[in-house]
Amino acid sequence: NAGVTQTPKFRVLKTGQSMTLLCAQDMNHEYMYWYRQDPGMGLRLIHYSVGEGTTAKGEVPDGYNVSRLKKQNFLLGLESAAPSQTSVYFCASSYSGALREQYFGPGTRLTVT
Amino acid sequence: GEDVEQSLFLSVREGDSSVINCTYTDSSSTYLYWYKQEPGAGLQLLTYIFSNMDMKQDQRLTVLLNKKDKHLSLRIADTQTGDSAIYFCAEASATNKLIFGTGTLLAVQP
Repeated sequence: NAGVTQTPKFRVLKTGQSMTLLCAQDMNHEYMYWYRQDPGMGLRLIHYSVGEGTTAKGEVPDGYNVSRLKKQNFLLGLESAAPSQTSVYFCASSYSGALREQYFGPGTRLTVT
Repeated sequence: GEDVEQSLFLSVREGDSSVINCTYTDSSSTYLYWYKQEPGAGLQLLTYIFSNMDMKQDQRLTVLLNKKDKHLSLRIADTQTGDSAIYFCAEASATNKLIFGTGTLLAVQP
């Protein structure tokens, strides 16, 4: 049982390049989330999904797109990377019950130059 | 709007107690949470408290909830160097999301 995994772990992009971050979970969770973590700002929700085939905007969705074609995977895309997207990105998943404990992946450190 | 606030930094000596504070805004939250993030890792749920409770104790951890003041605290007894981490409080919003605080960096001095 691997839990939540993220690929890649590190990436450096040039401004304007595109990339996709992959999140996978093997816990059969309904809900999945993408956050970014920046110094002094805590975790900010980018997009989330409440089930296969669904996506919704979070607090800071601009510049990102997501897809949830399979229940176990949640992809985060950057179509045209900007230096402001330099951050650490975390994926999380949770059951749909009231407790909503979120299980986090190890993070992806992205630098946009 | 929804906003969860924490102080950014706390420094304690090994063996002392640590108290990390948090204020939240959504009085309808069913659960409130404390997450721990160790260096270079993702967040892990440390403990949680149901909104109809005032206190929850779990080994060295004590969570206190003051619903009137919307104040949540985490006390770590006999703090160890392994407790050095960033601690996040979080509340559950009505829309299936968790709202996280900014995190408190706990530094434990030997």
